[in-house]
Amino acid sequence: EPEVTQTPSHQVTQMGQEVILRCVPISNHLYFYWYRQILGQKVEFLVSFYNNEISEKSEIFDDQFSVERPDGSNFTLKIRSTKLEDSAMYFCATSDSTNRYNYGYTFGSGTRLTVV
Amino acid sequence: KNQVEQSPQSLIILEGKNCTLQCNYTVSPFSNLRWYKQDTGRGPVSLTIMTFSENTKSNGRYTATLDADTKQSSLHITASQLSDSASYICVVSAWGGADGLTFGKGTHLIIQP
Repeated sequence: EPEVTQTPSHQVTQMGQEVILRCVPISNHLYFYWYRQILGQKVEFLVSFYNNEISEKSEIFDDQFSVERPDGSNFTLKIRSTKLEDSAMYFCATSDSTNRYNYGYTFGSGTRLTVV
Repeated sequence: KNQVEQSPQSLIILEGKNCTLQCNYTVSPFSNLRWYKQDTGRGPVSLTIMTFSENTKSNGRYTATLDADTKQSSLHITASQLSDSASYICVVSAWGGADGLTFGKGTHLIIQP
């Protein structure tokens, strides 16, 4: 079964450093999403991306966050200057339908980001 | 504000028993409701998806119900197995809104031998 692959699985970084989280979507999927889950809390929407631009973003997705598909394959989430409160599990999800609301998203296994 | 509330927060049952998890939502306009299973440290995996017109949907030992009038859903697990131990998350999406989904906090289910 096709999978969404995320790397790294775990990243530890110092506060103030930049991090890039990577996601390889399922090959025919066109809609990409980033979510995060702070330990013990619910999953929260960050951003959606389609046709090389952001479709929607949440209040969490402020100027320190950015997304891109640098090579038409990987889908990345960059956090420019990490803060302690950015420590969370970050999930990439992808979808293959223009009517994406009615089809299940495929989630990756996540990247656990720890900011120290 | 769109919200999804799940109950109970956690549940412990013996292997082989059945259980039912509840989800109430205030998402409008409603598009669909998903139940996900999330193993510890892993991404959520879709179990069922239901649209407005669907009242019940099964996936093996998992059966989800939806009452769009009362805005309630349930997930029934039959003949539980140790591998069913996980968090079960109710996720609701709205038409015309942000692409993101509204997640519940999940029910943490533990199956004991």
